[in-house]
Amino acid sequence: EPEVTQTPSHQVTQMGQEVILRCVPISNHLYFYWYRQILGQKVEFLVSFYNNEISEKSEIFDDQFSVERPDGSNFTLKIRSTKLEDSAMYFCASRQVPEAFFGQGTRLTVV
Amino acid sequence: LAKTTQPISMDSYEGQEVNITCSHNNIATNDYITWYQQFPSQGPRFIIQGYKTKVTNEVASLFIPADRKSSTLSLPRVSLSDTAVYYCLVGNQGGKLIFGQGTELSVKP
Repeated sequence: EPEVTQTPSHQVTQMGQEVILRCVPISNHLYFYWYRQILGQKVEFLVSFYNNEISEKSEIFDDQFSVERPDGSNFTLKIRSTKLEDSAMYFCASRQVPEAFFGQGTRLTVV
Repeated sequence: LAKTTQPISMDSYEGQEVNITCSHNNIATNDYITWYQQFPSQGPRFIIQGYKTKVTNEVASLFIPADRKSSTLSLPRVSLSDTAVYYCLVGNQGGKLIFGQGTELSVKP
C-alpha cells in the first residue's frame, strides 16, 4: 500500500531556531496538506497545497510558516523562528479523492 | 464548512457492534461525510465516506438518512484494537479536512 513518509520522526529544537519538516507524499496525488496536533488536542489544519501553490491556509499558518515543494516530490514545512507553543505532532497528508493518506508525523519539541 | 457534533467518548466490549452518530445540521449540497480513525501518536486513517443512504466496506458501514443532517458509523464486532478516536468530517471533495474533537472509543475485554 502506498504511504506518506515524514522525516524526522522526532525533532528537538531551541526556541527561536528554524526547523524544516519533510514529507514525501504519494506520487500521483494532487492535494497536499499539513496539520498539527498539540498533545491531547484535536488535529488542526494548517495549510493545503494544490497545483504547486497554497490553496488555503488557517489562522495558525502565519508568517512564521512556509511550505514548498522544491523538487516535485518532497513537500516541506518550515517554521522560521520556533516558539514553545509550536511543540506538537505535525502531520503531512496527500489526497486522492476521497481518501487522504496521513504520514506518521514528526514530533516537534521546542525547548 | 458544516460543523459536526459527536459524543466525546463511548465504551464498548469486544464482539459488540458500535454505532457512533454524528450530527451535521448545516451540511451543504456538495458536502460528503467522511470518517477517520486515529490511534495515539499516529496520523488519522480513512475509514469510509458517503454522500447519502448506506455505504459499506470491509471495515465499517455508514448510514446517512435522507435529510443528511446526521450520519452513523457502524463498527461490527469490535475488538480491543478498535480502541481509538473516531472523527466525523463534512466537506467537499478536494477541500481541506476539518477535524472536530472526535469520539474516543474504548473497547474492553
